[in-house]
Amino acid sequence: SAVISQKPSRDICQRGTSLTIQCQVDSQVTMMFWYRQQPGQSLTLIATANQGSEATYESGFVIDKFPISRPNLTFSTLTVSNMSPEDSSIYLCSVSVTSYEQYFGPGTRLTVT
Amino acid sequence: GEDVEQSLFLSVREGDSSVINCTYTDSSSTYLYWYKQEPGAGLQLLTYIFSNMDMKQDQRLTVLLNKKDKHLSLRIADTQTGDSAIYFCAEMKSDRGSTLGRLYFGRGTQLTVWP
Repeated sequence: SAVISQKPSRDICQRGTSLTIQCQVDSQVTMMFWYRQQPGQSLTLIATANQGSEATYESGFVIDKFPISRPNLTFSTLTVSNMSPEDSSIYLCSVSVTSYEQYFGPGTRLTVT
Repeated sequence: GEDVEQSLFLSVREGDSSVINCTYTDSSSTYLYWYKQEPGAGLQLLTYIFSNMDMKQDQRLTVLLNKKDKHLSLRIADTQTGDSAIYFCAEMKSDRGSTLGRLYFGRGTQLTVWP
């Protein structure tokens, strides 16, 4: 398995501002992912964070809104830019330890007012 | 169907068995998963089953897979109040010719265990 931490654990932000969420893993991993979990909904994959190259975004998510960094094999950041109340969600980082095992961080609970 | 389907709520009495059901979408999905999310926490990987198996047992957890019907279930024996959580079913499908599959999740089943 992997131990994953996220910062911040929660935040309340004003609309129009940006928040950067950090994800740290205790071991080197090839694949890191960012998900969004809206209340009562399933998890939606935002993007795959690739080390040394640009992130791969899913349909409906764009780099200008959710820029991602992956400077090394243990760390990634997700920025939620120009926030609106619709961005209020839980944002989850996950990693693939093997090709079939994916582990999740504790999440960042974001409220936009 | 297009989505992984789960019932949204299940209530059981402490000591009884719980069975959480899921219908997934793709008969070629390689792995099927159960994740647990406790209040205020992230997702915990509970168990997974490879598609060439039809049953997997791990202590109080039993996973049954029916590939023909694309049906997955999780049975929790001797359910405890600490098992109260949201349980997510997920399937792994390979996308865009990639060797690494991606996960598709259901909306989760809220399990409530009454003392």
